Amino acid sequence: GAGVSQSPSNKVTEKGKDVELRCDPISGHTALYWYRQSLGQGLEFLIYFQGNSAPDKSGLPSDRFSAERTGGSVSTLTIQRTQQEDSAVYLCASSFIRGGGNTIYFGEGSWLTVV
Amino acid sequence: KQEVTQIPAALSVPEGENLVLNCSFTDSAIYNLQWFRQDPGKGLTSLLLIQSSQREQTSGRLNASLDKSSGRSTLYIAASQPGDSATYLCAVSRLYNFNKFYFGSGTKLNVKP
Repeated sequence: GAGVSQSPSNKVTEKGKDVELRCDPISGHTALYWYRQSLGQGLEFLIYFQGNSAPDKSGLPSDRFSAERTGGSVSTLTIQRTQQEDSAVYLCASSFIRGGGNTIYFGEGSWLTVV
Repeated sequence: KQEVTQIPAALSVPEGENLVLNCSFTDSAIYNLQWFRQDPGKGLTSLLLIQSSQREQTSGRLNASLDKSSGRSTLYIAASQPGDSATYLCAVSRLYNFNKFYFGSGTKLNVKP
């Protein structure tokens, strides 16, 4: 596609429910990232996928968070038993690795509100 | 651990002023540094990417510099316009794990007409 696509753009869920957030990266991009941004805060790294390598999950805040990337393309971030502190914008980004630089392109985010 | 700091957190200037945004990082072993712009309710848009071997990059009215030894980068915006109002974030990637980006918390810029 033309850019990184995320869905849903907005999600309101009740505390304790599970949510799935989807990211469709730019075609041909081998690297995919998930970040979280709380209100007025910077970006918090969650996880990244690079090709067929094992993902770097070092930023996932708890075992309620998981992510997968199927077929090296679309990724799903799952939050189980949501808590109010999970409310944030979840941003997905992708990049194509090339010598000397790797500009990353972000989607517009999925705004999650846990009530 | 790489820590990225941006000062000031917010900046308000009249239209037409030249301005400088600052970014500092604690680990000089970086692969590259990027400056992004984020508009309210939107994702991030990459403005400039500086590789570790470079000292500056320019795009239109924007100029970004990099001083690895002092752990600093600046984003210079010339002749600011109201349309430049946004939050500006810098991010660094590490030399041995260049796909992992560390972001500052941003500088919120308001350019008054």
